Amino acid sequence: DSGVTQTPKHLITATGQRVTLRCSPRSGDLSVYWYQQSLDQGLQFLIQYYNGEERAKGNILERFSAQQFPDLHSELNLSSLELGDSALYFCASSGRTVGSYNSPLHFGNGTRLTVT
Amino acid sequence: AQKITQTQPGMFVQEKEAVTLDCTYDTSDPSYGLFWYKQPSSGEMIFLIYQGSYDQQNATEGRYSLNFQKARKSANLVISASQLGDSAMYFCAMRRQGAQKLVFGQGTRLTINP
Repeated sequence: DSGVTQTPKHLITATGQRVTLRCSPRSGDLSVYWYQQSLDQGLQFLIQYYNGEERAKGNILERFSAQQFPDLHSELNLSSLELGDSALYFCASSGRTVGSYNSPLHFGNGTRLTVT
Repeated sequence: AQKITQTQPGMFVQEKEAVTLDCTYDTSDPSYGLFWYKQPSSGEMIFLIYQGSYDQQNATEGRYSLNFQKARKSANLVISASQLGDSAMYFCAMRRQGAQKLVFGQGTRLTINP
């Protein structure tokens, strides 16, 4: 058990809809990362928050947004969903030192999103 | 820019044999970390082992070891005495100093045959 909690485990929704994915990091971790894993694109970094502030942005679509709350949990909002958004969405967390290259990311079990 | 290459899309190994999963990386930064993750069919991403760019010794964690060859920019994962439960996707990843994200390779699907 990595200590990172993601809910829900599965989500099935229709095109055009909006969903919210939730993540609670490991106790003591200040950084939260969101990744998207699809069959054709592999693991793609979306966005990172550190102690409530956005720190890095990757290949995140404008239809997607995220935030990290004062209690350090994070939410990823996906709107105007398209079939191509179907993927496994991971949240990961790491320790107190931002930008430290020797800290592994600890991943949650992911949310599998299916857009029909 | 940083790039990770895993050239073996799939590997098949007999149980109890050792297996080496290849990973090469590309970066111009002197300070970086290399990581291996395991993703079983159930989907979770499990951190296995870490190697820092300045580490003189190869990292080991139980049956996992990392064959780090800095001059060749390779960081191969070695699994000794493979078990059926080792069947999974394996991802090599890199993070450089000051960068926020972990960059992943495309993965290698390992199948252990009884």
